[in-house]
Amino acid sequence: DVKVTQSSRYLVKRTGEKVFLECVQDMDHENMFWYRQDPGLGLRLIYFSYDVKMKEKGDIPEGYSVSREKKERFSLILESASTNQTSMYLCASSLGSGQGAYGYTFGSGTRLTVV
Amino acid sequence: AQSVTQPDIHITVSEGASLELRCNYSYGATPYLFWYVQSPGQGLQLLLKYFSGDTLVQGIKGFEAEFKRSQSSFNLRKPSVHWSDAAEYFCAVDTGGFKTIFGAGTRLFVKA
Repeated sequence: DVKVTQSSRYLVKRTGEKVFLECVQDMDHENMFWYRQDPGLGLRLIYFSYDVKMKEKGDIPEGYSVSREKKERFSLILESASTNQTSMYLCASSLGSGQGAYGYTFGSGTRLTVV
Repeated sequence: AQSVTQPDIHITVSEGASLELRCNYSYGATPYLFWYVQSPGQGLQLLLKYFSGDTLVQGIKGFEAEFKRSQSSFNLRKPSVHWSDAAEYFCAVDTGGFKTIFGAGTRLFVKA
């Protein structure tokens, strides 16, 4: 089975800090995604990448950036953390064009608290 | 606009009873359809998917879903619920182009 590993399950950061969330997948998936999940708002796409060094904005990219230097690793960066970025962050990967017929494999999530 | 509606925010069923979770979508063509499950504090796990062919699809953990084009629905079912099925369930639609629309989720409670 494909495994998607997020480096931290829980993270507490201070306002204004630069925060890195790391995600690694152990299969040869082209596509990787970052979502945030908030009660009542569901899953919202922040950024996605369909190839190394390629990235596209999702629905809520403001305040975030991403990096994909290697195929297996997709990092989410909070340039200057703010309290409204307190959330559950989910990384996912998929094989092929878009989600297509394959579906996503999700990591276990990182619960980030910004104080 | 494309959308996914899960009408039930939460559902409570008794262990051993049957389950049906509803999902309706709004899209001009037949999309790719998915159901995911999320246990507390975890990521989402793919239960099953539909993209063509037989409209009744089987998934993991004893779940199945039926695609009904005329009703724009993709309801998830299980004949006998186990306490370990308590979780949140998300219906999702992929209309192509890397954009997936998730429903708001239905939380399932199982009572003994």
